[in-house]
Parts: sequence; C-alpha cells; structure tokens
Amino acid sequence: SQTIHQWPATLVQPVGSPLSLECTVEGTSNPNLYWYRQAAGRGLQLLFYSVGIGQISSEVPQNLSASRPQDRQFILSSKKLLLSDSGFYLCAWSVERTGYTFGSGTRLTVV
Amino acid sequence: SQQGEEDPQALSIQEGENATMNCSYKTSINNLQWYRQNSGRGLVHLILIRSNEREKHSGRLRVTLDTSKKSSSLLITASRAADTASYFCATAPSGNTGKLIFGQGTTLQVKP
Repeated sequence: SQTIHQWPATLVQPVGSPLSLECTVEGTSNPNLYWYRQAAGRGLQLLFYSVGIGQISSEVPQNLSASRPQDRQFILSSKKLLLSDSGFYLCAWSVERTGYTFGSGTRLTVV
Repeated sequence: SQQGEEDPQALSIQEGENATMNCSYKTSINNLQWYRQNSGRGLVHLILIRSNEREKHSGRLRVTLDTSKKSSSLLITASRAADTASYFCATAPSGNTGKLIFGQGTTLQVKP
C-alpha cells in the first residue's frame, strides 16, 4: 500500500539554526512531491514541488530550499531559520493529477 | 497565491443537520478537490470533481461544480460530531503539472 512518512512531528529550533525536514513515500513510483506550509488557522501555501529526481520548482521566494535526492525522498532545508519560518509543514504526493496524499505534518517553532 | 476562497469561514450546526460550504476560484481548472483537516493533523482527500463534471457523490458528501461561475459547493448531509474539522477546497489549474492551490478553509463545528 502507498504511505507517506514525514518527520519529526514537532520541532523547536533557535533563530539562525539550520533545518532539515524529510519526507519519504512508499508504494508508488515517480510521484509528484510537494511541500506546503500552513500558518495557524489559515490555508496551505505551496512552497516547492517536484516532478522528478533533482527537479525542484519554487513557488515563493523565501529562506527555504528543497531537494529530491531519490525518487521517493523530498527534503526541506534552511541554512539559517527566521522567526517567520514557524508554521505547520506538510509534505504530499500525487500521481497523474489525482488527489493528494498528505503526511502528518511537522510543527516547527522558531524561537 | 491563493485561488480558492471558501465561504463561510466558520460554520456551527447541530448534529443531524446538513452543512454546506462554498468555494470560489479565479482561473480555469482541470479539477477541484475537497480536503478535510482535523486540528493539528495532515489533510485527508475527500473527493475530486473534474472540470467536465457537475456533481459528484461520496457517501454523505455531495459536491457540485459550476465552471461558468467558477464555484463549487460541498454538502455534508446528516452531520455527526465526528465531522467537526476544517474543510479546504483546492484547484488544479489548467495546463499545470499537478500542483494544487488551496483556499483558506471553512471550520465546521458539529454540536452533539
């Protein structure tokens, strides 16, 4: 069966520290992968999406970057976190314009 | 940028009543999807309606799509306390690689 793993569930990081959030997908090949951020009580903002290994599209200018080193692995990174990077980060995958499957999310608090 | 706008932002009803949420969007789409999110959790896909479809059912869910008005509605019939959650519409813009643009969501509270 197809599953998506996202970790950690919660993270508290000081301003200026690096960030690495990982997302892996099982049970499917060549999925489209996505990173979204959700501010408290708000909708989802698309940050990055990838249609293949090494292919990353950025939706908004920001302090974050993404990488896809393997077909089913998607990583969200930052070299130096800002307070404004706090939020709920969600990874998702889809195949052939079907519905998305979301991970359980990572709540990041930058202090 | 946000494409879908849900209305109302918040809705409170009694168990057994029907809940209707609306979504408007701006550009042409391939499909429109509805998702549910329980507090602090990931989103769960509920239903997808393609641009050439007008209505779709799934259990107690009924979704309509009016591409001429660029709007959609989600109806939950015979609501239950367990339906309490936030509901989001998301549009897949035409000619796209499959990315979805989400609205701000409607928070539904169903009182037992």
